[in-house]
Amino acid sequence: GEQVEQLPSSLIVQEGASVLINCSYTDSASVYFPWYKQEPGKRLQFIIDIRSNMERKQTQRLTLLFDKKTKHLSLHITATQPGDSAIYFCSARAGNEKITFGAGTKLTIKP
Amino acid sequence: AQTIHQWPVAEIKAVGSPLSLGCTIKGKSSPNLYWYWQATGGTLQQLFYSITVGQVESVVQLNLSASRPKDDQFILSTEKLLLSHSGFYLCAWSLEWGYEQYFGPGTRLTVL
Repeated sequence: GEQVEQLPSSLIVQEGASVLINCSYTDSASVYFPWYKQEPGKRLQFIIDIRSNMERKQTQRLTLLFDKKTKHLSLHITATQPGDSAIYFCSARAGNEKITFGAGTKLTIKP
Repeated sequence: AQTIHQWPVAEIKAVGSPLSLGCTIKGKSSPNLYWYWQATGGTLQQLFYSITVGQVESVVQLNLSASRPKDDQFILSTEKLLLSHSGFYLCAWSLEWGYEQYFGPGTRLTVL
């Protein structure tokens, strides 16, 4: 079945810095890749997604890049703020309702 | 606006006892529904999904079962809990395939 790997598993940066979270998947049938954020004590929250017919998507301070050939995604967060401290999950969906999540990247922003 | 509720908030149960966890979605008709399990500090493992009332598909076998008795209700249950069932159970809904999911607050289950 599908496997999704996220790197790094944790990251500590100074407020204002940019961060990059990498995600790779194995199943070439996966076509939809939503990302979620889990802040301490809060619900898992959708933040950005991309489909396999796209290479890039940007919303506010988030940029998601997708390379179908290498089966790789990267989430770039710019101008980080304390509120960005959370666990970030990438996920992959194929042409059915089966969804595979990565293990998460714990991001800590130091003020 | 759509809302998703899960009950109970937390449960402490004995090994071998039965379990029933619930999830209700209000404000959206015929959503796709999902159950996930998250071990402490671990990733989310999809357990079940349902695209319509009365129809539930299993993704992994963990000695759990799920049912969708109403359009807005998703139930996760087992007759006999194992220690390995401890963790955080999340319910989610989506508009349809290919759209983002919206998650409930979760139920923390501790099996002793």
